[in-house]
Amino acid sequence: EAGVAQSPRYKIIEKRQSVAFWCNPISGHATLYWYQQILGQGPKLLIQFQNNGVVDDSQLPKDRFSAERLKGVDSTLKIQPAKLEDSAVYLCASSPDRDSSYEQYFGPGTRLTVT
Amino acid sequence: AQTVTQSQPEMSVQEAETVTLSCTYDTSESDYYLFWYKQPPSRQMILVIRQEAYKQQNATENRFSVNFQKAAKSFSLKISDSQLGDAAMYFCAYRRSGNTPLVFGKGTRLSVIA
Repeated sequence: EAGVAQSPRYKIIEKRQSVAFWCNPISGHATLYWYQQILGQGPKLLIQFQNNGVVDDSQLPKDRFSAERLKGVDSTLKIQPAKLEDSAVYLCASSPDRDSSYEQYFGPGTRLTVT
Repeated sequence: AQTVTQSQPEMSVQEAETVTLSCTYDTSESDYYLFWYKQPPSRQMILVIRQEAYKQQNATENRFSVNFQKAAKSFSLKISDSQLGDAAMYFCAYRRSGNTPLVFGKGTRLSVIA
């Protein structure tokens, strides 16, 4: 079974530029999460999708961040315009079933550096 | 809001020895799940072990075991016979019942000394 795929793996941009990250979850996984992991900290949820609907985006800075999940499969996360404090690793994770008690499967992450 | 605290930013252990990583959490929920994730330098987060709060028996997975103290809201990870490949960041995480996001601690960086 293929794992969660993310691209790009690394991205360097200047502040005020825009950037987009892509995630392809494990086939059949209904739930998709985007987490932000700042250096030295644990991941924090940005947004959760159930199929193509948003379940929780309460911690997403909506003035600059946006995310979508087309057709309940792939997802993109966009930042526009980027700030220095957005430098972090952006992790995508997926899980199989609604109300599942089981694990989330993580992708390798995208390391964003904003200069 | 639920919180997870890992009080040991760094730990080290000699190869073949045993090490225990600490984790405490705060929640008012009665039904939840606890996890330990490992994140090697490549950054791929991998599940090490999970514990259902309703189970009294501590979970074990080969060399990894937990000490789950529900009343004390404590969830420590014991790694026996440590190997060089165990070196990584270890994150304790909490999840409410249902398809809910994980709440992570800040992590403990484990070094294994040959």
